[in-house]
Amino acid sequence: DAKTTQPNSMESNEEEPVHLPCNHSTISGTDYIHWYRQLPSQGPEYVIHGLTSNVNNRMASLAIAEDRKSSTLILHRATLRDAAVYYCILRDRAGAGSYQLTFGKGTKLSVIP
Amino acid sequence: SQTIHQWPATLVQPVGSPLSLECTVEGTSNPNLYWYRQAAGRGLQLLFYSVGIGQISSEVPQNLSASRPQDRQFILSSKKLLLSDSGFYLCAWSGGQGTDTQYFGPGTRLTVL
Repeated sequence: DAKTTQPNSMESNEEEPVHLPCNHSTISGTDYIHWYRQLPSQGPEYVIHGLTSNVNNRMASLAIAEDRKSSTLILHRATLRDAAVYYCILRDRAGAGSYQLTFGKGTKLSVIP
Repeated sequence: SQTIHQWPATLVQPVGSPLSLECTVEGTSNPNLYWYRQAAGRGLQLLFYSVGIGQISSEVPQNLSASRPQDRQFILSSKKLLLSDSGFYLCAWSGGQGTDTQYFGPGTRLTVL
């Protein structure tokens, strides 16, 4: 799986939007962009994924750059429960890669009351 | 809906003792199953995955083994624990394609003394 780069940490005030960036300049045409998050002392939780178009679900939105070399996870209104480590992961659509989800260090999001 | 269970939630074991961690999935059939380990302050490492009963693939050489005696049951074992086996063990499942979303269980925190 191709490499991703994320800031180590970010802070947000409660009830404000949060934009979590991810750079993936070596992304291939068959890579999906996945986001997971891990709350303290819990297993990772799937958040959202996309290929080329922007995606929305009940948890978040995913904005993908036109050249697909970067993406942004958007939490529309941060709550204290959103404090977690957020991971941006590339997965090969063709399934040619391994089954492993390669978790980097992610971005630790702190939410300030 | 699908649910994934792991037990025990926490475990403290002496060096040299055996280990058995169990994971079960409900609400789906023929899942892919995974065991990950997360050492303190580090990322997740895939240990084993299984695409069917009795089919186990190991990602890294180690002191551990895995078995899948039933379609929705995945067991992680060791004959003799080492100090380095301490960590947070996570079971996950996904659909049939290698790049499908993975859903994680609550995890088992293992401390080897």
